Amino acid sequence: GEDVEQSLFLSVREGDSSVINCTYTDSSSTYLYWYKQEPGAGLQLLTYIFSNMDMKQDQRLTVLLNKKDKHLSLRIADTQTGDSAIYFCAVLDSNYQLIWGAGTKLIIKP
Amino acid sequence: DTAVSQTPKYLVTQMGNDKSIKCEQNLGHDTMYWYKQDSKKFLKIMFSYNNKELIINETVPNRFSPKSPDKAHLNLHINSLELGDSAVYFCASSQELSQHYGYTFGSGTRLTVV
Repeated sequence: GEDVEQSLFLSVREGDSSVINCTYTDSSSTYLYWYKQEPGAGLQLLTYIFSNMDMKQDQRLTVLLNKKDKHLSLRIADTQTGDSAIYFCAVLDSNYQLIWGAGTKLIIKP
Repeated sequence: DTAVSQTPKYLVTQMGNDKSIKCEQNLGHDTMYWYKQDSKKFLKIMFSYNNKELIINETVPNRFSPKSPDKAHLNLHINSLELGDSAVYFCASSQELSQHYGYTFGSGTRLTVV
């Protein structure tokens, strides 16, 4: 079955760009998502990308998809303290099931 | 407010008790889910309902029983609670089963079994 992997932690300085990476195994995955979970809160959909796209940009967020390498990334420009959260990658597999990564905790250094 | 709402937000109970968590969505979505998030933040799907019908029932002990009285509600009843049931339980909904537009999550119910 589909497997989705992410690093567990990423530490960046305030004002720098953060790049959170995700790899997946099912090449027939159609939709790929990034969710954000702030402490004590539920998961919030940040953005998603369809598999026929390479890139999607939304204000400070840029999603890059490399289908050949099965690699998805989320870039956050000008990282702020409010971006501290856990970021989950999720992939819709061929059975319409959402397969989740373990989440990457983004730590912002002043 | 349009949302997915869960009650209660916190639940502390003794081992062996039976408890319920309620979930309601007013988004007009067809599909609802229950997820369990453990202390390491791993998310595990438990159940999925589409238009009140059970679609996914992962390997969850049968002490957990979902009930969907209508497509806006999906409640979770847990019998004979065990220490290992302590976790955060999230309800979510999506427009349709193929969930192209992603899920909307509730804010979670933190269950602590003592």
